[in-house]
Amino acid sequence: GAVVSQHPSRVICKSGTSVKIECRSLDFQATTMFWYRQFPKQSLMLMATSNEGSKATYEQGVEKDKFLINHASLTLSTLTVTSAHPEDSSFYICSALSIAGGYEQYFGPGTRLTVT
Amino acid sequence: GIQVEQSPPDLILQEGANSTLRCNFSDSVNNLQWFHQNPWGQLINLFYIPSGTKQNGRLSATTVATERYSLLYISSSQTTDSGVYFCAVGKANAGKSTFGDGTTLTVKP
Repeated sequence: GAVVSQHPSRVICKSGTSVKIECRSLDFQATTMFWYRQFPKQSLMLMATSNEGSKATYEQGVEKDKFLINHASLTLSTLTVTSAHPEDSSFYICSALSIAGGYEQYFGPGTRLTVT
Repeated sequence: GIQVEQSPPDLILQEGANSTLRCNFSDSVNNLQWFHQNPWGQLINLFYIPSGTKQNGRLSATTVATERYSLLYISSSQTTDSGVYFCAVGKANAGKSTFGDGTTLTVKP
């Protein structure tokens, strides 16, 4: 149980275009989802917290207009990287907290974004 | 925010050896998880252990919440144990987790 999926797993896009990444909780409902990014050889850095039906809370230094987050249902959150640049190339990982309670986070498999 | 420090940053072992990875954190937490990140980037959840001791096969973990540290034990290490091990902690009112910088484990045959 507690499976989180991400789509796509890998995406290559041209500079200036936008790309959407989906995060789904497959067998549970998630009140809260989190988006992280990870650069090579580094740790995961939290970008934003996404609550169903409300605006996302962004961490300091993360541009809201560049990384658009939508949490339209209890099983789906999306991250859209707008006007992507090569420096946005990274590994993006989402996680989810179950509506059933508790603080254990369930992580998706990640999306590797390459901007050319 | 909470500071999370993992040690050692790198660890090289011979197959069959045992190891202990440490995670220190700067504040009281309600959530502590240990992960193994595989070569494809997937985070494998090893333990959810805000306090106490748990064991799963060759792996076990202990969190002493009052002293703000957690230990991950790997016994009889195998080459497939290689990878990066992360500790992530969080407080209940925030929900979110802060990750340590990880320990990169290399197990040699």
